[in-house]
Amino acid sequence: GENVEQHPSTLSVQEGDSAVIKCTYSDSASNYFPWYKQELGKRPQLIIDIRSNVGEKKDQRIAVTLNKTAKHFSLHITETQPEDSAVYFCAAISSGGYNKLIFGAGTRLAVHP
Amino acid sequence: NAGVTQTPKFQVLKTGQSMTLQCAQDMNHNSMYWYRQDPGMGLRLIYYSASEGTTDKGEVPNGYNVSRLNKREFSLRLESAAPSQTSVYFCASTPPRTGTNTEAFFGQGTRLTVV
Repeated sequence: GENVEQHPSTLSVQEGDSAVIKCTYSDSASNYFPWYKQELGKRPQLIIDIRSNVGEKKDQRIAVTLNKTAKHFSLHITETQPEDSAVYFCAAISSGGYNKLIFGAGTRLAVHP
Repeated sequence: NAGVTQTPKFQVLKTGQSMTLQCAQDMNHNSMYWYRQDPGMGLRLIYYSASEGTTDKGEVPNGYNVSRLNKREFSLRLESAAPSQTSVYFCASTPPRTGTNTEAFFGQGTRLTVV
């Protein structure tokens, strides 16, 4: 079945450094790749997404890149701040007519002042 | 708009008891999902419903049943709870695939403990 792998599972950086989280997906027909941020005790919330017709998308300090040939996509956070500390999930929508979202296992990001 | 509303927020069950988790969305979304979240395991899909009247198994459906009562509501039932079902459960919904916005909206979660 469809699978999304995410690495690393934990990431610790100093404030101001960059953080990169990588995901690979198995369904070559997937065409939508969102990233969610989950703060402790809260629900996941969308922070950025990318569709298969573009290779990169930026939103202030956050960017996502997509390599459809290799079936992987990455989240880049620059100039990290303590409030970026959270669990980040990548996801892919499977093929077909359904919006079936499959998530990676998550990355716990800690940004130290 | 309330978005996605889940009830209850917390629940403690004894092994063998049954319960139904309720989920409702007011965004006219077609697709709805139930996920469970265990520490270090991410969000695992239990069941999903592409549209009213249809349901399909996800990655971890054993021990659960679902019902898509109408377009707004999607319930998850545990017939005979087991300690392995201790988890945080999230309901989510997404708009029709034909739209440009495919964002998933999540409920606030249900923390279930089975003792």
